[in-house]
Amino acid sequence: DQQVKQNSPSLSVQEGRISILNCDYTNSMFDYFLWYKKYPAEGPTFLISISSIKDKNEDGRFTVFLNKSAKHLSLHIVPSQPGDSAVYFCAASGNNFNKFYFGSGTKLNVKP
Amino acid sequence: GAGVSQSPSNKVTEKGKDVELRCDPISGHTALYWYRQSLGQGLEFLIYFQGNSAPDKSGLPSDRFSAERTGGSVSTLTIQRTQQEDSAVYLCASSPSPRDPAAFGPGTRLTVL
Repeated sequence: DQQVKQNSPSLSVQEGRISILNCDYTNSMFDYFLWYKKYPAEGPTFLISISSIKDKNEDGRFTVFLNKSAKHLSLHIVPSQPGDSAVYFCAASGNNFNKFYFGSGTKLNVKP
Repeated sequence: GAGVSQSPSNKVTEKGKDVELRCDPISGHTALYWYRQSLGQGLEFLIYFQGNSAPDKSGLPSDRFSAERTGGSVSTLTIQRTQQEDSAVYLCASSPSPRDPAAFGPGTRLTVL
């Protein structure tokens, strides 16, 4: 039973526009969330995180929003660039941090 | 600085053989994780090591899977009597502490024929 879900397997966006990647979770005990980016043949690289005490965290072009009541988070990339084309995974953990649950990923394609 | 390294990068084996996958975490990182990613799937947690504490093995899919971490550094994931469903990319990650985001290695692609 997947506790973290990314329901969009792919997303295509024009360069310069906003990319919005969505993630839903089922476990109300999750209180720490991360986004990773993965290029082919490489391991995932950390992008941005948010803890449950916040509803927004921003780092440059990347912003993560957390809606605890809806058990939903989203990653916004503005403006999108062709180099952002990759697979994006969201992950969630409880307060013991010993295990992160990952979604199945969303493949983002930013068209020049 | 050096990141997480894994070896081999690719491994092809026959069904029923044993395989060992190696992970060299970033020096000084106390937390070490193993995940695997099957085709079209997300990352599946396998095992977690933190310092000298007993590892969290709750993600290991069967008793054919085992892992150890020697001296708090290098880790080896062993799969005995491999099956075709074990084919996946096995990813190792480490972090300075559990609260820090983990850095992943490039993975080992295992193919069981």
